[in-house]
Parts: sequence; structure tokens; C-alpha cells
Amino acid sequence: NAGVTQTPKFRVLKTGQSMTLLCAQDMNHEYMYWYRQDPGMGLRLIHYSVGEGTTAKGEVPDGYNVSRLKKQNFLLGLESAAPSQTSVYFCASSGRTGHTEAFFGQGTRLTVV
Amino acid sequence: AQSVTQLGSHVSVSEGALVLLRCNYSSSVPPYLFWYVQYPNQGLQLLLKYTSAATLVKGINDFEAEFKKSETSFHLTKPSAHMSDAAEYICAVREGNQGGKLIFGQGTELSVKP
Repeated sequence: NAGVTQTPKFRVLKTGQSMTLLCAQDMNHEYMYWYRQDPGMGLRLIHYSVGEGTTAKGEVPDGYNVSRLKKQNFLLGLESAAPSQTSVYFCASSGRTGHTEAFFGQGTRLTVV
Repeated sequence: AQSVTQLGSHVSVSEGALVLLRCNYSSSVPPYLFWYVQYPNQGLQLLLKYTSAATLVKGINDFEAEFKKSETSFHLTKPSAHMSDAAEYICAVREGNQGGKLIFGQGTELSVKP
């Protein structure tokens, strides 16, 4: 049972480059989330999705786009990377009901130089 | 709007001492509350969760938390700290019966001294 899988695990980008982070879950969860984690800032929600074909903005959406074309996948895109986007990115998924916990991927460490 | 506040970004205890990590929440409806643990360079693992069945919740590794509605708190405790408990502990809240966004606190880094 793979749970939540993120690819890639590490990436170095130059300023202005683009990339896509892939998140895949095999638990048939409705909700999927992208967070970034920075020292002293905790986990901040970038975008989330409550179902296939739907996405919504979180706390820090600027500079990112997402897509949920398939229920099991949630993609996070950086169109023009900036050094401020250097962070560790986590994907998570959860069931629809409130008491269900979120399951996390192992994270993607992104450095923008 | 829901929010979570964790008091103390760093907590240091001696091995064998009581662990107390504080979490206060704000929610307009009955919340669901979670504690996660994060070891260095790893993802988050669920420690325990409050789902309104019981106010005292027991989790893995002898951790427990008590939901106190009057204090809007969900503090995490462990009677006796082990060196292996050193990690980041993160409290989270989810609002409502229909689910919704999972919002996290800033996290508390626990250090355990020998």
C-alpha cells in the first residue's frame, strides 16, 4: 500500500524555470492538499482540491498553479520559479468526512537558485 | 475562520520528564483536532486525533491529548520522555462534519536531554 507518493524528492531550479510536482494517492481520497513548510512558518496551505476537476486557493497560492484531472493525482506547478519558493513541499490526501486524518507524502525539497 | 496556535516553538525536557505541548484552536463549529509528529527529513505521521467520541484521546508511543472545549485547547502530553521522542510536533484542526481544509499550527520542536 503506497499511500501518498510525491515525485521528485529533490530538485534544484534556476530562477525563472518551471516545473511540476506530482502527487499520487491510492486510497481513493476525495481531498488532496499541497503545503509548503519553511523554518519558523510551519505548514502553509498552497492549494487544495475537494474532488476531481475542482481546486481552491489556500493561504499562499501566488506563484503556483494546480490541477486535479484524475482523482488520484494532484499536480503542483511553478511557472516561473523564484528563490522565495525554496522550500519543502508536502502533498497530503484525506477522506471527505471531517474526522478523517490526512496522509502525507515524504516531501519534495526544492531549491531555487 | 479556523486557526491553530501552538505555544512555544521549542520545548526541551530531560529524559524521563513529563512532556507537555500546548495547542489552542479557534473554530466556529465543533472541530476535529489532530496531532502529528515529524521526524527529521520525513513526512508527517498521525499521533492521535479527537473526533468527539471521547475527550481524552490516546495515541501511539504513550502520547495522549485532552480536548477541553471551555479552554479551546488540545494539549499533548506524555508521562515520561524518551530520547526517541525528539521531533517536531504539529497540531491541526479541521472544521465541520463535511470536512474541509486541514489547518496546521506552527509546530513545536521537542528536544530531549539525557
